[in-house]
Amino acid sequence: EADIYQTPRYLVIGTGKKITLECSQTMGHDKMYWYQQDPGMELHLIHYSYGVNSTEKGDLSSESTVSRIRTEHFPLTLESARPSHTSQYLCASRRDGPWETQYFGPGTRLLVL
Amino acid sequence: GESVGLHLPTLSVQEGDNSIINCAYSNSASDYFIWYKQESGKGPQFIIDIRSNMDKRQGQRVTVLLNKTVKHLSLQIAATQPGDSAVYFCADSKFYFGTGTSLTVIP
Repeated sequence: EADIYQTPRYLVIGTGKKITLECSQTMGHDKMYWYQQDPGMELHLIHYSYGVNSTEKGDLSSESTVSRIRTEHFPLTLESARPSHTSQYLCASRRDGPWETQYFGPGTRLLVL
Repeated sequence: GESVGLHLPTLSVQEGDNSIINCAYSNSASDYFIWYKQESGKGPQFIIDIRSNMDKRQGQRVTVLLNKTVKHLSLQIAATQPGDSAVYFCADSKFYFGTGTSLTVIP
């Protein structure tokens, strides 16, 4: 069982609100990732981090931002939520190394009205 | 661009039968592949992985086959059970994910 947590699990919010999705892991993994996944669709990488103070944008353009001040914590922020941001957001982490797999959190389902 | 994709979006099998889920990849430099299982409302869970220096790896009821010549890998599930019903994704070493195959096990 992977020790990676996401809060909230579900969020319904109005347009224009600022939101932060939390992700934390207790495995000491250096690498962390955020994916966006629409129902029944593939996962799209939106952000990743290779360690503290390292953040990079993924393949899918996103209006969200991330920070990595502590190894175990990788929050994702939307400054002004819009209905187009409605999706599931999955956080993952892994150890450094060429053949290390990712461990996923349970996800946050976001609905922007 | 690089891609990792699955041949069939849906697969239905009878309980007790074997399931085969296929995946194609385009990056010949990929040296590591992972299969994930995602149940409804949950994040993907690791099932099995394989390095490019292998062509077969077995786990508990699951086997992954890698054919580097045609850039294809498959996940075989033996004696499929209702609990195996889920969406299955393959990913490569850069963690590109395909669209997934939805497996439904018919009791």
